Amino acid sequence: AQKITQTQPGMFVQEKEAVTLDCTYDTSDPSYGLFWYKQPSSGEMIFLIYQGSYDQQNATEGRYSLNFQKARKSANLVISASQLGDSAMYFCAMREGLRGQFYFGTGTSLTVIP
Amino acid sequence: GAVVSQHPSWVICKSGTSVKIECRSLDFQATTMFWYRQFPKQSLMLMATSNEGSKATYEQGVEKDKFLINHASLTLSTLTVTSAHPEDSSFYICSAREVAEPTNSPLHFGNGTRLTVT
Repeated sequence: AQKITQTQPGMFVQEKEAVTLDCTYDTSDPSYGLFWYKQPSSGEMIFLIYQGSYDQQNATEGRYSLNFQKARKSANLVISASQLGDSAMYFCAMREGLRGQFYFGTGTSLTVIP
Repeated sequence: GAVVSQHPSWVICKSGTSVKIECRSLDFQATTMFWYRQFPKQSLMLMATSNEGSKATYEQGVEKDKFLINHASLTLSTLTVTSAHPEDSSFYICSAREVAEPTNSPLHFGNGTRLTVT
């Protein structure tokens, strides 16, 4: 079974609008962490936001927020007021296990339209 | 802080030769480094976990003898692609974890190496 599932291969959003990128995960470990990364065309991985499995509040970092629904095992990324520079691949990732290894989803390609 | 330097950023080599990629943590000590491979428009695939002073742990399906990993110090891990073939052409990216990091610490990534085997 896939540890991380991102069902949207590509998304479009109008500049200044908000967009939600979906992510569901699968784990039996009670302690885990969920991360979102942005990968522009240049290739580097940019960390955006983190949500811990025991966190009561949804994480927020500037224009990024994470809609964490633990019972549904989903951790959707919400980008508010989209900017042209937000166009990139977005990866959801989970950290679990004794080794603390990371598992990545297949990514969502976001295109912001002017 | 938490800068990971990966070198080279791109390399072209002939089939049959070996290529070494370096991953350095510049301002922190990393007991664990991870090596990923990424095909165009696809996700990052974990190849191996590199631990300082011990043998790397390879993921299923990754050839140990082809992808040699050495983690000789707390700031350096190397990936050597031996006897490279065109199918090894890919984007390789390393990441590092600090020695004593809290559980909410993200992975710190290098900028990746684009390998092209002709």
